[in-house]
Amino acid sequence: GAVVSQHPSWVICKSGTSVKIECRSLDFQATTMFWYRQFPKQSLMLMATSNEGSKATYEQGVEKDKFLINHASLTLSTLTVTSAHPEDSSFYICSASPGVGNDQPQHFGDGTRLSIL
Amino acid sequence: QKEVEQNSGPLSVPEGAIASLNCTYSDRGSQSFFWYRQYSGKSPELIMFIYSNGDKEDGRFTAQLNKASQYVSLLIRDSQPSDSATYLCAGEGAQKLVFGQGTRLTINP
Repeated sequence: GAVVSQHPSWVICKSGTSVKIECRSLDFQATTMFWYRQFPKQSLMLMATSNEGSKATYEQGVEKDKFLINHASLTLSTLTVTSAHPEDSSFYICSASPGVGNDQPQHFGDGTRLSIL
Repeated sequence: QKEVEQNSGPLSVPEGAIASLNCTYSDRGSQSFFWYRQYSGKSPELIMFIYSNGDKEDGRFTAQLNKASQYVSLLIRDSQPSDSATYLCAGEGAQKLVFGQGTRLTINP
């Protein structure tokens, strides 16, 4: 149980392109999902908290107009990197939890490796 | 600022030995702590979580939490080459996870 699916797994595109990444909870509903970014040899950094039916909450330093988040249903959140540039190249990973509480860990999707040429 | 600290390693352990991974945290408000394993190029996978003081065992893995010392550890018994990975410690507060920088573990056959 608690499977999180992420698509696509790999994107290579030209500078200036907008890229959409999908995160789905396959066997549970998630009112909250999380988007992380990981640069090589670094740890995961939380970018934003995606809230179903309301605006996402962005961490300090993350541009909300650059990284658009939509959480239209209880099983789907999307992250759109708008007008991507080489410095946006990174490993983007989403996570979700089946519930709230100390015994409800977050489960991660397989990640999306984004390369901007 | 809420921080989780880990020794980045690398930590080398012979096959069959016990690997000990350590983590400290600054936010006393953190309720739960998680250990994730991350293979190179892959996303993290959950190994264990703990929220009560003491030990929690699951197979070859034992997580230990000491809230007074703000210290979390993960022991891996009978280490196998397949345990070679980066281990991420994370603390949770208000549903958000704060990750340490990860410890790279290598199990030598």
